[in-house]
Amino acid sequence: DVKVTQSSRYLVKRTGEKVFLECVQDMDHENMFWYRQDPGLGLRLIYFSYDVKMKEKGDIPEGYSVSREKKERFSLILESASTNQTSMYLCASTRTRAVGLYEQYFGPGTRLTVT
Amino acid sequence: DAKTTQPPSMDCAEGRAANLPCNHSTISGNEYVYWYRQIHSQGPQYIIHGLKNNETNEMASLIITEDRKSSTLILPHATLRDTAVYYCIVFQTGANNLFFGTGTRLTVIP
Repeated sequence: DVKVTQSSRYLVKRTGEKVFLECVQDMDHENMFWYRQDPGLGLRLIYFSYDVKMKEKGDIPEGYSVSREKKERFSLILESASTNQTSMYLCASTRTRAVGLYEQYFGPGTRLTVT
Repeated sequence: DAKTTQPPSMDCAEGRAANLPCNHSTISGNEYVYWYRQIHSQGPQYIIHGLKNNETNEMASLIITEDRKSSTLILPHATLRDTAVYYCIVFQTGANNLFFGTGTRLTVIP
């Protein structure tokens, strides 16, 4: 069975802290994504990666960075957490970028609160 | 940008078919229609996708009109566990990701 896991379901951090969100997939997928989800705004893409050590900015990369040292792991980093980064963070992966085979598998999400 | 329009909410009686509409009048010829759902406090879950023909799998059926300007997701026998937000997405060729709008909140009523 397809599996995307995220390191924490709930996280509380203080303003200015460095925050690491980890995502691991066991499907040997090439492509991985980080989204954030806020009420009324849907899912917004932060960063994505098509291969190890590769990364691309999504729609809202400001205040975030990512790391992909291994194929199965994609980390999202908040260099200095701020209250406006309080959100639900979702990781996803896909096997291929082919338009007709674009099934994204999502992790359960991490609800981050920055105080 | 969102290329789909969905009603914000719908109700369905348990055991009945749930028909969720989606309008995508500007869809291009090589763009697929994808459906996902998100149950409360979980990540989105893939349901089904299609290009031109109707599709069916173990979860749902997807009916796409002949002009491809709209589609309907059908859950044949809705259960309480189908209560979720359902997203209709047009996958844009060359895009980096699926754009999730605000979807339709389906409530299955006992």
